[in-house]
Amino acid sequence: EVQLVESGGGLVQPGRSLRLSCVASGFTFDDYAMHWVRQVPGKGLEWVSGISWNSGRIDYVDSVKGRFTISRDNAKNSLYLQMNSLRVEDTALYYCVKDLSIAVSDYGKDVWGQGTTVTVSS
Amino acid sequence: QSVLTQPPSVSGAPGQRVTISCTGSSSNIGAGYDVHWYQQLPGTAPKLLIYSNNNRPSGVPDRFSGSKSGTSASLAITGLQAEDEADYYCQSYDSSLSGVIFGGGTKVTVL
Repeated sequence: EVQLVESGGGLVQPGRSLRLSCVASGFTFDDYAMHWVRQVPGKGLEWVSGISWNSGRIDYVDSVKGRFTISRDNAKNSLYLQMNSLRVEDTALYYCVKDLSIAVSDYGKDVWGQGTTVTVSS
Repeated sequence: QSVLTQPPSVSGAPGQRVTISCTGSSSNIGAGYDVHWYQQLPGTAPKLLIYSNNNRPSGVPDRFSGSKSGTSASLAITGLQAEDEADYYCQSYDSSLSGVIFGGGTKVTVL
């Protein structure tokens, strides 16, 4: 079964850091680009960051550039999101998402985890 | 405000046909980037419904179809069923932003 399982969410104060992890199973992890997509409860989807199959191409939404770092370990079938200088507006459910292609591009995203909740509050 | 514009809501009676529009610009849909559609049922993760403008993943009923023209795309649901009540999102890529973009989402209500 193709599966993505996120972990690492929680309650954190503004300005602090958090690291999200995602473990993939059921497919050849290093054949695909991966992404983080977030959703504020009751609101729409927002793409946060994407990484190509070999980490050669990485993109971020402007609002997290310089604060968040995406990475992957293909040997461990794992995707990560290091979130620094967290803001209240980063509060959301964070999904780990598999791309249909090896590149960060306009291909569809065919596998979604169940998400991990990040709450930034004092 | 999303780069891709969708109507906030659409509704229809069971058996009817509804369409959801997704309007972009010359740096995304108009630049030739593909459009994909996702269905999000209440309390669940999004599910890929249509990929590359008009293709259905295995298991998606043929009641769902997609199209793209110019700077816009649309999702059509024919023979609307109660189980289709959900939020629907379009997605593409924007060359100016160098990133993946989503529409704001459309809530489909079955009357």
